[in-house]
Amino acid sequence: AQTVTQSQPEMSVQEAETVTLSCTYDTSESNYYLFWYKQPPSRQMILVIRQEAYKQQNATENRFSVNFQKAAKSFSLKISDSQLGDTAMYFCAFMKPGTYKYIFGTGTRLKVLA
Amino acid sequence: EAGVTQFPSHSVIEKGQTVTLRCDPISGHDNLYWYRRVMGKEIKFLLHFVKESKQDESGMPNNRFLAERTGGTYSTLKVQPAELEDSGVYFCASSQEMTGSKEKLFFGSGTQLSVL
Repeated sequence: AQTVTQSQPEMSVQEAETVTLSCTYDTSESNYYLFWYKQPPSRQMILVIRQEAYKQQNATENRFSVNFQKAAKSFSLKISDSQLGDTAMYFCAFMKPGTYKYIFGTGTRLKVLA
Repeated sequence: EAGVTQFPSHSVIEKGQTVTLRCDPISGHDNLYWYRRVMGKEIKFLLHFVKESKQDESGMPNNRFLAERTGGTYSTLKVQPAELEDSGVYFCASSQEMTGSKEKLFFGSGTQLSVL
């Protein structure tokens, strides 16, 4: 069975600084998808970034980028130039294609400090 | 475009009572999912509807939980009778048919359920 581990329950970063959230996973599958979702306080959870396991190139979305290490089963999220609006709960998730079922980690609460 | 909406946002009930959560997916989304996050733990899959049919209900904890999606539009999740361990945040999500690399779920804000 697949598992996703986020070892940092809480983190904080100064505005404009860079922060990295860690995520590791365990699977025997060769093809899968990895995601980072963000849930701001009292708001909907939204997709931040997605990585397809067969792609070696790390995904990027503006200030958000991932460091995908397939052999190490690691999928960390880097947030550059942190903004106050980045304050949220961040969830790492795994999905096997076609299963429609996400496996989530326990989340990392990120606070951006002014 | 309206997103996934869930009602109520918060519910506080006593052990043994019944609670019904509602989810309205994005219009046109055939796939609807329920997930649950117990305090401090991971978000866990409960079940998946395709239109009005239950595609996968392997995550449902026990028979006190009943999910329906009559007509393939909105869905309800009923807990009867509620127990203390049912407390948590219940998320609903929806998606269009997933193919290839278009995997993406749209989530609601969740319902915070507290069973006292």
